[in-house]
Order: sequence, then C-alpha cells, then structure tokens
Amino acid sequence: DIQMTQSPSSLSASVGDRVTITCRASQIISSYINWYQQKPGKAPKIVISAASRLESGVPSRFSGSGSGTDFTLTISSLQPEDFATYFCQQSYSSPSTFGGGTKVEIK
Amino acid sequence: QVQLQQWGAGLLKPSETLSLTCAVYGGSFSGHYWSWIRQPPGKGLEWIGEIKHGGGTNYNPSLKSRVTISLDTPKNQFSLNLSSVTAADTAVYYCVRMKVVLITGVNWFDPWGQGTLVTVSS
Repeated sequence: DIQMTQSPSSLSASVGDRVTITCRASQIISSYINWYQQKPGKAPKIVISAASRLESGVPSRFSGSGSGTDFTLTISSLQPEDFATYFCQQSYSSPSTFGGGTKVEIK
Repeated sequence: QVQLQQWGAGLLKPSETLSLTCAVYGGSFSGHYWSWIRQPPGKGLEWIGEIKHGGGTNYNPSLKSRVTISLDTPKNQFSLNLSSVTAADTAVYYCVRMKVVLITGVNWFDPWGQGTLVTVSS
C-alpha cells in the first residue's frame, strides 16, 4: 500500500494567516492526490482534486500544488470557517489511502 | 445534485455482521464506482472497498476476507456487509461516490453520505 505522511498533525493559526499543509507519498503518485476538509461530526468534503484542481464552490484562497511524491495544500488567508481537519488521499493505486490528517485550530 | 443517504444498525456484538445500505438520489447510478470508507472515532480514514455499476468489486486487502459490497440497481442502492466484527471495527462508516475522469483516470470521492456510527461492544 502507498503510505501518505501528512504534516503537521495539528497547527494553531490566526484568522488571516497563511497556512500550509504537506503530504508525502511513499512512492511516486504523479498528480493523483486529493484534499478533503472535515468539520466535527460531518463527512469530509472535497476541496482539491488532482493535486491542484479547485472544486466547485471552494473559495480561491485554497490551492494545491506538487507532483511526484510531495504535495501541499495552502490556505492563503485563513478564515473562521476554515478551522477543520484536512486529509490528503492518494488515488493512484488501490487500495486508496489517506494521510493521518491535520487539525487546524484557532490560536 | 447527487445525494447519498445511508442507514443500518448502530450497535453490534462481537462476531455479528455489520450491514449498511446507501441510497443514491438525484443522479445517475450507472457508470460510477460506489465505495465505503470508515473512520474510527478520533482517527483517520480507511477505504473499505468499491463496486462498479456493472457489479465488479474491489476490496481493501486488509478487510477482503470479511467484506461484501453489493448493488440493488432497481432501487439505486448499494450495501456493505462486514462479517465477524470486533471492537476494532467500531467506526463511522461512510458511503461515497467515486468520481472518475475517464481520459486521465483521475478520481476522487464526492459526495459522501452522512455517516453511520457503528459500535461493536459486548
């Protein structure tokens, strides 16, 4: 299985901060990585697909980059509604696997 | 706008079989992959398996011996059975559609069902 190592596992930030979350795959996965946002008690919601494609309805302050094994999710200016847990997921090969998550908390 | 609604028993005893069903509303059932994903309380996400509209299945090897995913096409529903459950199977279970871009093979999970907490306890 492809291992997805996500960091940090948690971070504290203020509204307006720039936040970067990274995910490293244990082997090359091209651009087959997706990012999800999950709020407490809710199902995850797709934010970025195929490494950098912003999903419909997702604010433009979210962006994704990377290729190969190293990827980042960036929130350019953190807003109150962005406090949540973020997961990366590789869709390159089966079984699909997820990173351990990054909890973004209010400083 | 495709929506998924799921249901099933929320409390099981060890060795029993977990059964969940997911109904698909508002979109085409055919031509898609339908998956189950679980999340133990406070932990990460684990893909369980998938079924394509034609009926082909693919399971996570870690669960393959205990998992069955099936379709009820006339009802636009798909189901998960997980046999011989233990406390380690306690989790929120989600049904999900896998969207695929045929030309590139790029795929992602969207939308998700509301989730069902299944607790295994004697």
